Amino acid sequence: AQSVSQHNHHVILSEAASLELGCNYSYGGTVNLFWYVQYPGQHLQLLLKYFSGDPLVKGIKGFEAEFIKSKFSFNLRKPSVQWSDTAEYFCAVNARNQGGKLIFGQGTELSVKP
Amino acid sequence: EAGVAQSPRYKIIEKRQSVAFWCNPISGHATLYWYQQILGQGPKLLIQFQNNGVVDDSQLPKDRFSAERLKGVDSTLKIQPAKLEDSAVYLCASSRTGTGEYEQYFGPGTRLTVT
Repeated sequence: AQSVSQHNHHVILSEAASLELGCNYSYGGTVNLFWYVQYPGQHLQLLLKYFSGDPLVKGIKGFEAEFIKSKFSFNLRKPSVQWSDTAEYFCAVNARNQGGKLIFGQGTELSVKP
Repeated sequence: EAGVAQSPRYKIIEKRQSVAFWCNPISGHATLYWYQQILGQGPKLLIQFQNNGVVDDSQLPKDRFSAERLKGVDSTLKIQPAKLEDSAVYLCASSRTGTGEYEQYFGPGTRLTVT
């Protein structure tokens, strides 16, 4: 069965620190990859996505993610976090032969100290 | 454009009672999803509709959960009877079509507490 694993449950950083959130998935076929973010009191929204092409994708608010196929990984990065990045981050995978179904990781809660 | 609407936002019921959740997707979106998010976990797909037909309900506990999408627009998700382990946030999402390339837009969710 497909699964998605996020390495960290809770990450605490100071403003201006660099961020990297790990995401690994288990599925042998072709996938679409996503990072979603949920800010406090708000609904889930798309941060960035990878379908094909350049494995380094850029999203909103200065976030980027790199797809490494050989490692089944799609890690999220940001060079300098801000207090407003405090949120929960979810990695999700879609297997291309399974319609739109998303398999989510368990989420990483990011707290940024001002 | 208006987002995905869900109601109610919160619901508290006793076990063995029934409950229903409502979702209105973004206008023009053919595909509608219901996800269950238990505290500390990521969302898990319960059912996917394409227009008013079911595409995937493999993880829907059909002995107690049911869902419908009449006329291919609004959808309701029902639990009858509820169990304690059904306590979760129920998320509705919609997308233009049911292929993974199209972004899923999520509603605010309904937080269900079963006592």
